[in-house]
Amino acid sequence: GAGVSQSPSNKVTEKGKDVELRCDPISGHTALYWYRQSLGQGLEFLIYFQGNSAPDKSGLPSDRFSAERTGGSVSTLTIQRTQQEDSAVYLCASSLVSGYTFGSGTRLTVV
Amino acid sequence: TQLLEQSPQFLSIQEGENLTVYCNSSSVFSSLQWYRQEPGEGPVLLVTVVTGGEVKKLKRLTFQFGDARKDSSLHITAAQPGDTGLYLCAGARTDSWGKLQFGAGTQVVVTP
Repeated sequence: GAGVSQSPSNKVTEKGKDVELRCDPISGHTALYWYRQSLGQGLEFLIYFQGNSAPDKSGLPSDRFSAERTGGSVSTLTIQRTQQEDSAVYLCASSLVSGYTFGSGTRLTVV
Repeated sequence: TQLLEQSPQFLSIQEGENLTVYCNSSSVFSSLQWYRQEPGEGPVLLVTVVTGGEVKKLKRLTFQFGDARKDSSLHITAAQPGDTGLYLCAGARTDSWGKLQFGAGTQVVVTP
């Protein structure tokens, strides 16, 4: 596609439920990143996929968070047993060499 | 703790005025990028600077990378309402290629 596509754009979930967030990167971009953005906190790195290499998971805040990237393209970020502190905008970006192209994000609200 | 400190956090100016946003760190970066983000959207890349002392100009925007590659500034001349947005700096470290560390951002509001 022309840009990075994320779905859903908004998600409200009850505390304790699992959620899946999807990212469809720009075709041909080998790198894919997940960040989350909380009010006044800037962007917090979560996980990074580069080609066929093992992902860099160093930013995942707990073992409730996981992500996969299938076929070097679409990625899914899964949050299990959601907590209120998980509420944030989750941003996905892809890149080829340098400079990220971001999607519009998924706003997650845990109630 | 933010690896990259941005200042000021918030800036409100009148159309036609100039403004400068700063991005500082104690770490050395192999490159530094500036993004602008509008409500409900993801950040959009404005520029990448890679050489210490480098200055890049994009129309009314001037970006500078410090000689030691630890800091950067963004200067906007004759600001317009369309410049309103959250400006984010992001640095790539040599030991974590591809992964960017973001500052908390500077919210700029330009009123007509």
